[in-house]
Amino acid sequence: DAKTTQPTSMDCAEGRAANLPCNHSTISGNEYVYWYRQIHSQGPQYIIHGLKNNETNEMASLIITEDRKSSTLILPHATLRDTAVYYCIVSVLGGGGGADGLTFGKGTHLIIQP
Amino acid sequence: ETGVTQTPRHLVMGMTNKKSLKCEQHLGHNAMYWYKQSAKKPLELMFVYSLEERVENNSVPSRFSPECPNSSHLFLHLHTLQPEDSALYLCASSQDAVRNEKLFFGSGTQLSVL
Repeated sequence: DAKTTQPTSMDCAEGRAANLPCNHSTISGNEYVYWYRQIHSQGPQYIIHGLKNNETNEMASLIITEDRKSSTLILPHATLRDTAVYYCIVSVLGGGGGADGLTFGKGTHLIIQP
Repeated sequence: ETGVTQTPRHLVMGMTNKKSLKCEQHLGHNAMYWYKQSAKKPLELMFVYSLEERVENNSVPSRFSPECPNSSHLFLHLHTLQPEDSALYLCASSQDAVRNEKLFFGSGTQLSVL
């Protein structure tokens, strides 16, 4: 069973910020929130992860609510190449895999409109 | 370029054929993974190798046989497959199988079983 809930699909205009929500109401204290994306016909790509503080890197920002029950991935200036399926995953040990690997759900299909 | 290379990129095989999928990582990682992605379904973890030893086998049928001769190479040997085994097979690696930061995926092998 997936530990996260995401919308099935979203649209965003090119050049605008894309905000992708994720609910993880049963997250444990030692579980991190990870985001990956998968562009069509390619393998998933790591984007960002965090525990409880907001995080930012060259790809995106991750905003985690104070109660840690939900988070938002922000792509600040979406381009057509950001069209992909975005996966929100919770994982223990700060790990991207572990002996159980990563459990992927169905993700959000983000479509960037020109 | 993720540092994880999979060959072949596409494969068509009959149900009586024997074929092998190859994965090579150039990242110095100690853990490697096989995932299966069927159409319209989430990624499914198949096998996990840590330091060349199998640490996870998610009830995968014996017609799929993994091999990890060293920490840089991973194979998936296929024999007497069924049409429902047609899928995208993804290889991934991580620094280790326990306390790792993220997975790096290859582009996958698109397998069609006729």
